[in-house]
Amino acid sequence: DTEVTQTPKHLVMGMTNKKSLKCEQHMGHRAMYWYKQKAKKPPELMFVYSYEKLSINESVPSRFSPECPNSSLLNLHLHALQPEDSALYLCASSQERAGAAFFGQGTRLTVV
Amino acid sequence: AQSVSQHNHHVILSEAASLELGCNYSYGGTVNLFWYVQYPGQHLQLLLKYFSGDPLVKGIKGFEAEFIKSKFSFNLRKPSVQWSDTAEYFCAVNELDMRFGAGTRLTVKP
Repeated sequence: DTEVTQTPKHLVMGMTNKKSLKCEQHMGHRAMYWYKQKAKKPPELMFVYSYEKLSINESVPSRFSPECPNSSLLNLHLHALQPEDSALYLCASSQERAGAAFFGQGTRLTVV
Repeated sequence: AQSVSQHNHHVILSEAASLELGCNYSYGGTVNLFWYVQYPGQHLQLLLKYFSGDPLVKGIKGFEAEFIKSKFSFNLRKPSVQWSDTAEYFCAVNELDMRFGAGTRLTVKP
């Protein structure tokens, strides 16, 4: 069983909606990540938080807004998404950056 | 910047056949290397990792991988595959942040 928990598991949203994806880990990891995975493709790195500070933003559009309220939680706020943003959004954490990452089950997002 | 290439897009094997999936990385410095597996409809699971030391690393489910620095390679192996090994396999390199290869889809025929 994964120790990284993501909610919701599935989300359908309209292009004018605002929604948030949530991720939680209780392994004491200090690095947390958001990845986007399209069907039959590898995960693509979106954001990295290290010690609750944003370290990397991989040129992700501003309609995706990450937030790290504390060392255990990671959110991804979504606003005015496009249908091409439909994908599996994965959260991961690792002890430190460059460590082994543990992944959550993902949120399957559909934008209509 | 680091990058990872996986040679095989789709591999089809019969049960009990031996498996080797290729992985090469581009970064010449010190990197951490990983293999992940993604079973249909499931999350990414760590198979094995290499940080330093013995270049032959053993992972879960009977998988192993060999780090060959001179070839910038980290190939995944299993002596005898099972139908339940059918999945997508990703090689990954982590200098500071995890980057994945394109993946290899393994289909094992019963």
